[in-house]
Amino acid sequence: QSALTQPASVSGSPGQSITISCTGTSSDVGDNNDVSWYQHHPGKAPTLMISDVSNRPSGVSNRFSGSKSGNTASLTISGLQAEDEADYYCSSYTSSSTYVFGTGTKVIVL
Amino acid sequence: EVQLVESGGVVVHPGGSLRLSCAASEFIVDAYTMHWVRQPPGKGLEWVSLISWDGGTTYYADSVKGRFTISKDIDKNSLYLQLNSLRTEDTALYYCTKTNYYFKDQGAFDIWGQGTMVTVSS
Repeated sequence: QSALTQPASVSGSPGQSITISCTGTSSDVGDNNDVSWYQHHPGKAPTLMISDVSNRPSGVSNRFSGSKSGNTASLTISGLQAEDEADYYCSSYTSSSTYVFGTGTKVIVL
Repeated sequence: EVQLVESGGVVVHPGGSLRLSCAASEFIVDAYTMHWVRQPPGKGLEWVSLISWDGGTTYYADSVKGRFTISKDIDKNSLYLQLNSLRTEDTALYYCTKTNYYFKDQGAFDIWGQGTMVTVSS
């Protein structure tokens, strides 16, 4: 199972919006809606930001939103803030009943 | 507070074995599908294995299939990962995590432990 493809880094200034893409195949992202996004600050446990493509868990800022089209899922962060600087990973359930993570994207707040 | 605490990470020689443990608090592992995820130093997250909420189904990443075994103990409310035939590429921080839906096989990983480090080196 190959990792989902994400850009290595995305940057933006405070207040701007950025979008991180997550490209898979018809056997994972394109096959189901069990697609989720995680924020990971180095040295800390990952945090669930989006589940089921676009559901935001309780406590997660509404500046974070998710969507999907075909084999590509996206995470948008609006009103970028300094504390958003972290690594972000997508994840998808697969047709083999396993899971796969994306390659990871470093978000840089300029 | 819902919590997961991993333990068992050590330095081991190639070909060696060890067992990782993950103790759960404030929820019952018997009701949730549980996973192991790892992160090699300087690299991204890699899904490793899952055990379904009813314990009847287990799945593994191709990279560990046949070498790792996931299990859980309902009485101890804990998750385990037996690692055999270890390779240098198994060196990683190993996290246990639970899914966000009870009595379901699928779901996002809503609670994570802090991880336990496994180093495979001669």
